[in-house]
Formats: sequence, structure tokens, C-alpha cells
Amino acid sequence: AQKITQTQPGMFVQEKEAVTLDCTYDTSDPSYGLFWYKQPSSGEMIFLIYQGSYDQQNATEGRYSLNFQKARKSANLVISASQLGDSAMYFCAMRGNTGFQKLVFGTGTRLLVSP
Amino acid sequence: SAVISQKPSRDICQRGTSLTIQCQVDSQVTMMFWYRQQPGQSLTLIATANQGSEATYESGFVIDKFPISRPNLTFSTLTVSNMSPEDSSIYLCSVATPRDSEAFFGQGTRLTVV
Repeated sequence: AQKITQTQPGMFVQEKEAVTLDCTYDTSDPSYGLFWYKQPSSGEMIFLIYQGSYDQQNATEGRYSLNFQKARKSANLVISASQLGDSAMYFCAMRGNTGFQKLVFGTGTRLLVSP
Repeated sequence: SAVISQKPSRDICQRGTSLTIQCQVDSQVTMMFWYRQQPGQSLTLIATANQGSEATYESGFVIDKFPISRPNLTFSTLTVSNMSPEDSSIYLCSVATPRDSEAFFGQGTRLTVV
């Protein structure tokens, strides 16, 4: 079974500062993928970044980067230069070793960016 | 990538009625997933829909309550039947592609049952 843990119900950050959202996972699959999504109040799920378990380098997408520590089973999202529009729920998710499997989600972290 | 159009985007329904949610994809996909997100909660998988076969439901979800159709490789519907206020949630469809790094979602349907 796969499990995702997000221990931060809420986080606050000032505009232009960096923030790290924590995510730990547990799985017995030798190969897996980790995803981060942003969910604004509209409810849509916006894909941010992906990390494969065998990727040698940490994933980056613009202001988003993933601090992947495989031995610790953590996949923390780092948002640099926070913007007011970054205020939203953030979900970490994982799935097994193929693209044809369901995603398992964490409980999410609500991020509030203040001016 | 895949572009997913989901509708309706929101609805307010009377208890005891049913609502059908549609999910249209701009390309052929093998598997589609339906998730529920109850207020303040995370996403939970309802079922996996494959074209040409019965949907596979997760524990706690049954076909009589959440019938799913998958008539072709670009379209699926989820019906929420005999609704009660506890069904008030966001319902999202998602598609799987051969690329491991992809997992796309529709815009979601925000359902309120009164």
C-alpha cells in the first residue's frame, strides 16, 4: 500500500520569500512517481511538478523545485519568490510504477502568502 | 498532454435526485479515474473506468450509488444517485497516459446537495 503524509495543515509566507511544503511517503513499489498539485479555491487541480523515483536530479519547474530525498522518503516542494497568487491548497501525491495507476494523495497544506 | 473538459462545473441539487457529470478528453486515453473530495478533505478515488469493461470501484463506493459509463476512449460519465447532503463534494475526473510523469485532471464539479 502507498501512503502520503503532509504534516503541515497550514503555512504562512511573505511575498517574495521562499517556502517549503513537506511531504513524506511510504511504498513498497521499487519504482514510483511523486506529484505536486495546486488547488485554488475554484477546485481545479493544477499540476506543478513531477519526480520519478529513479530520477538522478531533483525536478524543477520555474519557481517550483522538488527536494527529493529518497533514503528519507521525502519529496518536499520548494516555492521560491512567493506571489500572492500562490495562496492555495497544495497536495502531494504518488503512484506506482506505471502511468496507468491511481494517485494516492496526502491531506494537503494550505499556503497563505501575505503582502 | 491531455486537455480534459468536465461539466457541469457546479450544481445545486435536491436530495433524492441524481446528477450526471461528464468528462471529455481531447485524445484517446486508456484509463480514466473519478475522485471525490469532500469539504476540507483530500481526494479519494471512487473508481477506475476502462473502455469496454465495467468500472472498478474502491472500497466504500458501489455501482448503484456511483454508476459510471465509458462508451469510448475519450469520454466518461459519473452519476451520483439518490443524493443526500453527505454527497456534497468536488468530483474530479483524471486520465492516465503512457507517460509516467503525467496525470491530468478536469476542472472539477462542485456539487451541493440541499
